[in-house]
Amino acid sequence: GENVEQHPSTLSVQEGDSAVIKCTYSDSASNYFPWYKQELGKRPQLIIDIRSNVGEKKDQRIAVTLNKTAKHFSLHITETQPEDSAVYFCAASRTGTASKLTFGTGTRLQVTL
Amino acid sequence: DVKVTQSSRYLVKRTGEKVFLECVQDMDHENMFWYRQDPGLGLRLIYFSYDVKMKEKGDIPEGYSVSREKKERFSLILESASTNQTSMYLCASSKQGTGNTIYFGEGSWLTVV
Repeated sequence: GENVEQHPSTLSVQEGDSAVIKCTYSDSASNYFPWYKQELGKRPQLIIDIRSNVGEKKDQRIAVTLNKTAKHFSLHITETQPEDSAVYFCAASRTGTASKLTFGTGTRLQVTL
Repeated sequence: DVKVTQSSRYLVKRTGEKVFLECVQDMDHENMFWYRQDPGLGLRLIYFSYDVKMKEKGDIPEGYSVSREKKERFSLILESASTNQTSMYLCASSKQGTGNTIYFGEGSWLTVV
């Protein structure tokens, strides 16, 4: 089955700096890669996703890049703010009836003032 | 607004008890999932269902079973709870097909003593 590795497990940045979280996946048939943000005590929520026919996608301060050849994808957050502090999960899935997601182990991002 | 509701936020059960975790979604989603979240391990799929009365094992099904008698409801059952099942359990749902957003419930914290 699919295996998703995520690094780093913790990341501390100063407000205004950029943060990068990286994931690799094992199943070359995976074609959908979402990122979820989980604030303390809250449910995970989708923040951005990318499909395999696209190399990069941006939404204001966040962007995701995908390298299908190398089987890795990354989340980039620019101009970080304290409210960006959370746990971020990458995930991967392939075409299928239920399109179940395989998640990475999470990155705890701390944005300090 | 999609709503995935988990009936219990916090439960404390004794070893050997039978435990039911209930989940209801109100968006007519075909797919429903049960994940387990543990620190450092991310979100791991226990079981999923892509239709009423249909179920498939995820990555860690041992010690669990599920029931989906109605489209909107997906139950996770621990036949005989054990201390290593102390965890946060997250229910989720999505429309059928690749790349459809998976929506999570708020989670159920289960402690087995």
